[in-house]
Amino acid sequence: SQQGEEDPQALSIQEGENATMNCSYKTSINNLQWYRQNSGRGLVHLILIRSNEREKHSGRLRVTLDTSKKSSSLLITASRAADTASYFCATEPPSGSARQLTFGSGTQLTVLP
Amino acid sequence: EAQVTQNPRYLITVTGKKLTVTCSQNMNHEYMSWYRQDPGLGLRQIYYSMNVEVTDKGDVPEGYKVSRKEKRNFPLILESPSPNQTSLYFCASSFHRATEAFFGQGTRLTVV
Repeated sequence: SQQGEEDPQALSIQEGENATMNCSYKTSINNLQWYRQNSGRGLVHLILIRSNEREKHSGRLRVTLDTSKKSSSLLITASRAADTASYFCATEPPSGSARQLTFGSGTQLTVLP
Repeated sequence: EAQVTQNPRYLITVTGKKLTVTCSQNMNHEYMSWYRQDPGLGLRQIYYSMNVEVTDKGDVPEGYKVSRKEKRNFPLILESPSPNQTSLYFCASSFHRATEAFFGQGTRLTVV
């Protein structure tokens, strides 16, 4: 079952603009992670935000977490063509489960030059 | 270099012919998983392993087997592949269950 759901499913912007993707999840979490996937390739970890954090930055990435709304957003500032990829949020499974992360269906970002 | 290595990258096979996709990690990670990725469905977990000789089913385990005889290896076995198992498969490993996961490059499997 999918825990996270990204929104929008697809996003197309011009180079230099900011891109915002959202993730909603269903159950309580200890942390939420964002991953990037270039077409047909493996996922690459971008950033992890813990449940007691509200905002985190890494380079041009800014992640927010609102545990009361069970949602997170990923902002990519000053986007580049190389940012074109799919972006996934991932949450840890419910407590008591030994499973690894549960991924959403992703947002396809296209940055036009 | 820290990495997860899957083989093969591409595979076309016929229905019913047993196949194995290998996965190996060099980071001494305890947790390993297999996912399949299908359009519109995201990544769905097939099986996972918490450590050597400890495996369990994920969300879509039917038609698959796994084994974890060594910490570094976690092969995915399709005893009798069917066309609905045509998909892009990823192996992932992590130090703990919910820490950063490292992914292999993927195996694109086509069953005809």
